[in-house]
Amino acid sequence: DQQVKQNSPSLSVQEGRISILNCDYTNSMFDYFLWYKKYPAEGPTFLISISSIKDKNEDGRFTVFLNKSAKHLSLHIVPSQPGDSAVYFCAANDAGGTSYGKLTFGQGTILTVHP
Amino acid sequence: KAGVTQTPRYLIKTRGQQVTLSCSPISGHRSVSWYQQTPGQGLQFLFEYFSETQRNKGNFPGRFSGRQFSNSRSEMNVSTLELGDSALYLCASSIQSSYNSPLHFGNGTRLTVT
Repeated sequence: DQQVKQNSPSLSVQEGRISILNCDYTNSMFDYFLWYKKYPAEGPTFLISISSIKDKNEDGRFTVFLNKSAKHLSLHIVPSQPGDSAVYFCAANDAGGTSYGKLTFGQGTILTVHP
Repeated sequence: KAGVTQTPRYLIKTRGQQVTLSCSPISGHRSVSWYQQTPGQGLQFLFEYFSETQRNKGNFPGRFSGRQFSNSRSEMNVSTLELGDSALYLCASSIQSSYNSPLHFGNGTRLTVT
């Protein structure tokens, strides 16, 4: 049972354009969401997070949108740069008492930004 | 500020052996979590420690264990290694004790079981 899904295995974007990465979840108890970026041979790097009390959070070129009714979140990168080429993971956590340190990850989307 | 440090970076072990992986969290971080990453299963939660206590555990067999020391450093141990234990093992630390705090990952230990 995959509770966090990233349905697009890959995305290709031109430099300077917007990259939109999508993520769907099924567990209605999830209320904290994160995006990570991962380069080969490195661990995931935290990018941005959002709590369920918000529907948008911005940090520089990165914006995360949350649609709770649709159980959907997205990451927008504007403008995209070649250095953004990496695997992007969305992750979720819930407010339950057994959620410490336990993120549920999607399978990842490979983003390629072409110069 | 130094990030999460994991040692060793690479390990090759034989089936039936046991292995210990080490993790030093970011200074000031008291929560340490461990994850296993494989191509088939993705990133899966193993366990989490805070103040030397295991607070949370994932769905892994008892061969997987861990501990945390008073300086927040953590180790995980896998006994009686199986071929399927070949994976990237990632350690992450967090500054807060609550659930809604981002995890910061190390670069992992790549374990190969032959």
